[in-house]
Amino acid sequence: ILNVEQSPQSLHVQEGDSTNFTCSFPSSNFYALHWYRWETAKSPEALFVMTLNGDEKKKGRISATLNTKEGYSYLYIKGSQPEDSATYLCAFLGDAGNMLTFGGGTRLMVKP
Amino acid sequence: DVKVTQSSRYLVKRTGEKVFLECVQDMDHENMFWYRQDPGLGLRLIYFSYDVKMKEKGDIPEGYSVSREKKERFSLILESASTNQTSMYLCASSLGGDFSYEQYFGPGTRLTVT
Repeated sequence: ILNVEQSPQSLHVQEGDSTNFTCSFPSSNFYALHWYRWETAKSPEALFVMTLNGDEKKKGRISATLNTKEGYSYLYIKGSQPEDSATYLCAFLGDAGNMLTFGGGTRLMVKP
Repeated sequence: DVKVTQSSRYLVKRTGEKVFLECVQDMDHENMFWYRQDPGLGLRLIYFSYDVKMKEKGDIPEGYSVSREKKERFSLILESASTNQTSMYLCASSLGGDFSYEQYFGPGTRLTVT
């Protein structure tokens, strides 16, 4: 079983703070990394699919970077808002695989 | 917009009952997935299907079976429900041909087995 770790497990920030969290995954046999946002009582929604070392993706105030050689990805949120409160999941896909392996998630809570 | 629906948001069943969880997607996706989510463990794949009548085991298939008779519908079956199958169950779908495509999730079914 592949090891995909996310840190921290949870995070409390004030509105307006910028924040970031980490996804660590196996550095060998990389194919793709997904980021999802899962708000309470809603369905998880895809944020990014990243496939190339050095990839940087951006959607509004949220951005992500990818380092496949060392096996990590960072998710950044600039100027957090209460509506950013959610669990953020990363998922790793190996080059021989057909299944995503999810990390345990980072639960973000943004206080107004 | 892709829409993935699940038959129930909440379900309470007794130990030993046969349980059916239904999932329907409306975007003609080839791939469909069933996950369960437990606190601290993230999403774990139970089964997936890449075509009608085709299925593959995921990481935790024991105690479950699946059925895909039509492209848009993927069912998860608990043959004899047990208390350790109390969990949140999520269905997802994605385009076929490459498993790197983003997955679209349903709202989940919270199943309690008493």
